[in-house]
Amino acid sequence: QVELVESGGGVVQPGKSLRLSCAASGFTFSSYGMVWVRQAPGKGLEWVAVIWYDGSDEYYGDSVKGRSTISRDNSKNTLYLQMNSLRVDDTGVYYCARVHYNSFDHWGQGALVTVSA
Amino acid sequence: DIQMTQSPFSLSASVGDRVTITCRASQTISTYLNWYQQKPGRAPKLLIYAASSLQGGVPSRFSGSGSGTDFTLTISSLQPEDFATYYCQQSYTTPPTYTFGQGTKLEIK
Repeated sequence: QVELVESGGGVVQPGKSLRLSCAASGFTFSSYGMVWVRQAPGKGLEWVAVIWYDGSDEYYGDSVKGRSTISRDNSKNTLYLQMNSLRVDDTGVYYCARVHYNSFDHWGQGALVTVSA
Repeated sequence: DIQMTQSPFSLSASVGDRVTITCRASQTISTYLNWYQQKPGRAPKLLIYAASSLQGGVPSRFSGSGSGTDFTLTISSLQPEDFATYYCQQSYTTPPTYTFGQGTKLEIK
């Protein structure tokens, strides 16, 4: 069965960097686009970034553009999100998800990122 | 940018009720509209994709309709496990932006 497991969350000071990982299993990782979606405490869902199945293209939401990089290692079945210049309003749960028919059909359990001095 | 607006913001209903949630796009998105369910402390779950296609394993009491700018999610007979927050999402734009609606919280009356 499809499984996505995020890791790398934690508490970080404003201005610092953090890298999230998402380990995928149960499907052919290299055949699917992947996304990161975040959710601030008590708020709704916000798409963060998408990467094509082969890593050939990537796009970002306005709130993280220029500060974050999505990448993938298809040999390791792993998705990454490098976040730099973190701000307090980057705090939230970060989910990775698989893209299928222009929707997000499988999600990880989420990784909590807390940006605080 | 395309904005997605859901209504109502919250809704109280009883087990067995028929419930409809509406999602409106600020410009046409054809049928590039998805619906998700999220329970507290859990990851979202895909219910409907492409406006009206039921995701595998999702009960048939869930249905979606609409095209262009106006869409609906209908639950034909509410079950206790359906009380959750529901989000619509557009996947129309190129390059992608995947905008979500603000969510509709469905609560027990």
